[in-house]
Amino acid sequence: DQQVKQNSPSLSVQEGRISILNCDYTNSMFDYFLWYKKYPAEGPTFLISISSIKDKNEDGRFTVFLNKSAKHLSLHIVPSQPGDSAVYFCAASEGAQKLVFGQGTRLTINP
Amino acid sequence: DVKVTQSSRYLVKRTGEKVFLECVQDMDHENMFWYRQDPGLGLRLIYFSYDVKMKEKGDIPEGYSVSREKKERFSLILESASTNQTSMYLCASSLTGGLHSYEQYFGPGTRLTVT
Repeated sequence: DQQVKQNSPSLSVQEGRISILNCDYTNSMFDYFLWYKKYPAEGPTFLISISSIKDKNEDGRFTVFLNKSAKHLSLHIVPSQPGDSAVYFCAASEGAQKLVFGQGTRLTINP
Repeated sequence: DVKVTQSSRYLVKRTGEKVFLECVQDMDHENMFWYRQDPGLGLRLIYFSYDVKMKEKGDIPEGYSVSREKKERFSLILESASTNQTSMYLCASSLTGGLHSYEQYFGPGTRLTVT
C-alpha cells in the first residue's frame, strides 16, 4: 500500500519555464514533508521541506506547496535550468525520523 | 558537511553468497537507515537503527539483517543473496531532535548485482 505517490514517472520542461512536480499522500498523520533530488550514480540530496502547519515554503528557485485537505504536495522550480534534470522524490514523516518515499519523477530540462 | 560513505560503489555476487554492505557516517548522527531503490518503486526502507546495537525492521526486511556495533557504522547483511536482491542500496543517517531531525543524509549508493 503506497502511502506516498508520485503519479508522473517523468516530466519534460523547457529551460526557463516552470517545472511542477506533484505528490499525493494518504496518511493524514504525516506532519512533515520533504523533497529530495537524485542524480545518476549519486545518493539523494535534500532539497526543501515543509511542516504540516504551513502551506508554502520557498527557497530561491524552489517552492513547495502543501494542500492538506487534498493531501497533495507540489514542488515548483522557477526558472528551470539544465542542472535541474534529475529524479525528484517526495517523502513524508509521521512524527519520527522514519521517512516514506514516493516512486520518483524524472525531470528533464530541455535547452 | 555531513559525509556518509559506503564501502563499495559496485558489487557483483553469486546467488547464495553472504554479502556485507558497510556504511559509515562522520557527523555523530544517532539514526541510520538502509534503503533499496528500484525503478518505479522509489526508495523502500529495509532496516533502521536509532542507537548502537538497536535495530528495527522497515518495510521490506525479508532476506536482510543489520548490525550496528558502533554509532558511526551500520552494516547491511544479505545472508544468502538471491537475484531479486539485485538493486541500488542506499545508506542514510540523521539526527534525533531539533529543527533538521527529519532530514536524512545519503551515501552515494552501492549497485549490487546478484548473478
